[in-house]
Amino acid sequence: EAQVTQNPRYLITVTGKKLTVTCSQNMNHEYMSWYRQDPGLGLRQIYYSMNVEVTDKGDVPEGYKVSRKEKRNFPLILESPSPNQTSLYFCASRRDRPIYNEQFFGPGTRLTVL
Amino acid sequence: SQQGEEDPQALSIQEGENATMNCSYKTSINNLQWYRQNSGRGLVHLILIRSNEREKHSGRLRVTLDTSKKSSSLLITASRAADTASYFCATDPAINLHQGAQKLVFGQGTRLTINP
Repeated sequence: EAQVTQNPRYLITVTGKKLTVTCSQNMNHEYMSWYRQDPGLGLRQIYYSMNVEVTDKGDVPEGYKVSRKEKRNFPLILESPSPNQTSLYFCASRRDRPIYNEQFFGPGTRLTVL
Repeated sequence: SQQGEEDPQALSIQEGENATMNCSYKTSINNLQWYRQNSGRGLVHLILIRSNEREKHSGRLRVTLDTSKKSSSLLITASRAADTASYFCATDPAINLHQGAQKLVFGQGTRLTINP
């Protein structure tokens, strides 16, 4: 089954404790992206990657890191989480070509930083 | 900043009625997409309409696009309880082509409730 998976689905942590949210897709998509969803703000892009070893900042990259060492994986790293990073996070992927195509979203990771 | 703005923010109708949601955006686009999100779940792609298209159908869904007004509408006909969800429009800005960027810009969504 074609899908995007994220782990963990739920996470409660404390300020400053490094964490990684994993994302994996099995569709051989070149493009992957991370979004966060907050009430009243909709979905905002954090980082994206157009292929292996190619990443770039989205709209709200501060406090986050990503890596793309393999095509299928795109982990989101919070080196020192803070309460304002409490949010619902989504990973998404899509083919790079043609340009007109849909994004496939993961099920989401609900993160709470105390 | 968010480009897409959905209207209304919330909509509640009776099962069997039609539901119409609108989306406005600010800049030129390559395409506009609609997504559905069930509470706390991931987004599911519904339909994509290109900038050179004016109307598109998929099952009970009908999407229109007016690039002169920078607006789109999503119509769900003969609504069902299972249609209860939040609906988001997402634009693929034309600048993506020029900059080689790849970013969808999402609105804040319309929360649709179908009452049995």
